[in-house]
Amino acid sequence: DVKVTQSSRYLVKRTGEKVFLECVQDMDHENMFWYRQDPGLGLRLIYFSYDVKMKEKGDIPEGYSVSREKKERFSLILESASTNQTSMYLCASSLITRLAGTAYEQYFGPGTRLTVT
Amino acid sequence: ELKVEQNPLFLSMQEGKNYTIYCNYSTTSDRLYWYRQDPGKSLESLFVLLSNGAVKQEGRLMASLDTKARLSTLHITAAVHDLSATYFCAVDISEYGNKLVFGAGTILRVKS
Repeated sequence: DVKVTQSSRYLVKRTGEKVFLECVQDMDHENMFWYRQDPGLGLRLIYFSYDVKMKEKGDIPEGYSVSREKKERFSLILESASTNQTSMYLCASSLITRLAGTAYEQYFGPGTRLTVT
Repeated sequence: ELKVEQNPLFLSMQEGKNYTIYCNYSTTSDRLYWYRQDPGKSLESLFVLLSNGAVKQEGRLMASLDTKARLSTLHITAAVHDLSATYFCAVDISEYGNKLVFGAGTILRVKS
């Protein structure tokens, strides 16, 4: 069974703290993603990675960084948490699309609800 | 800038009725996904639509893709309470399947 796990379901941090969110997948997927989900805005891509040590900015990378040292693990780092980073954070993984005419869905973890006070 | 617009954003319907959720997008893409999210849960993949004219059905849900019109629909037939959830469409704008842009989501409530 496909599995994406996230290190915490709920986190409460103080403004200015460094925050680490970790994600692990067991499907040998090349792609891994971090999204944040806010009501009325859907999911917005923060960063993604298509290989170990490779990363690409998504639509809202400001205030975030990522690390991918192993294929199965993708970490999201908030260097100095701010109240506007209070949100639900979702990790996902997928196979990489190498051939035209193919498509692979993303598999999502359970999410981490982060509150910054 | 790519826009993915879903409508309606909120849908309250009676059991047994039919309805359609629309997903319009503003750029060329031939890969579109539908996801379901139950309250407090993560996203679950419903359909992967690849190429123009694609149609997929699972139970009371049927999804279609018209790439020329840049439109996907999710049709609900004879709704039941268990279909209550939030439904998202997502458009793949990348070459390697690694950049999805999501709609805002449609909250569906099916009343008994």
